[in-house]
Amino acid sequence: QVQLQESGPGLVKPSETLSLTCTVSNYSITTDFYWGWIRQPPGKGLEWIGNFYFGGNTYYNPSLKSRVSISVDASKNQFSLSLRSLTAADTAVYYCARVSWTKAWCDPWGQGILVTVSS
Amino acid sequence: QSALSQPPSVSGSPGQSLTISCTGTSSDDVRVSWYQQPPGGVPKLIISEVNDRRSGVPDRFSGSKSGNTASLTISGLQAEDEAHYYCSSFISRNTFMFGGGTKLTVL
Repeated sequence: QVQLQESGPGLVKPSETLSLTCTVSNYSITTDFYWGWIRQPPGKGLEWIGNFYFGGNTYYNPSLKSRVSISVDASKNQFSLSLRSLTAADTAVYYCARVSWTKAWCDPWGQGILVTVSS
Repeated sequence: QSALSQPPSVSGSPGQSLTISCTGTSSDDVRVSWYQQPPGGVPKLIISEVNDRRSGVPDRFSGSKSGNTASLTISGLQAEDEAHYYCSSFISRNTFMFGGGTKLTVL
């Protein structure tokens, strides 16, 4: 079955840029579906960050759009998140997921990676 | 942007039925999903398109929608159902959102 795995630093400094990578197994990200990122601050709810369709559209949460970008490395079946100008409010568990944009669901999800923004 | 509102918490005893609401969806949009997140765990999609239960999800879980409010009903509550539950839907064109989440406690 499709599996996703996040990787990246667990600690980043304020004002810096966060870069995370999601590696997808058992399904090519170029075949179908959107692929995206969701985050969850400690003890809080889920926040959609954005997602893309290979060779197609990319959509971002309007509240993060000025600081975020998603890129793709099809040769490695990976996609990445870049989040700029970090503050403590960006501390969260970051998940990647496969997304059906036409039916508005996310499944499956990666295990998540905790990113702490602190000096 | 509009929000998807859920009650912060609900509770029930084993065997009881309870319902979690999600208000703020578009009345003519069936693209409402529900996720279960156990303590310390990863969110898992349990229902899509209002009432389409995912493979392997017990039939105790069901979804419905009336107007701009979607609902998740759990019948025959079990201890293993204790988790956070989140709804999701589009709140505007190409803007996706999760509800604030509901903590379900089995008494």
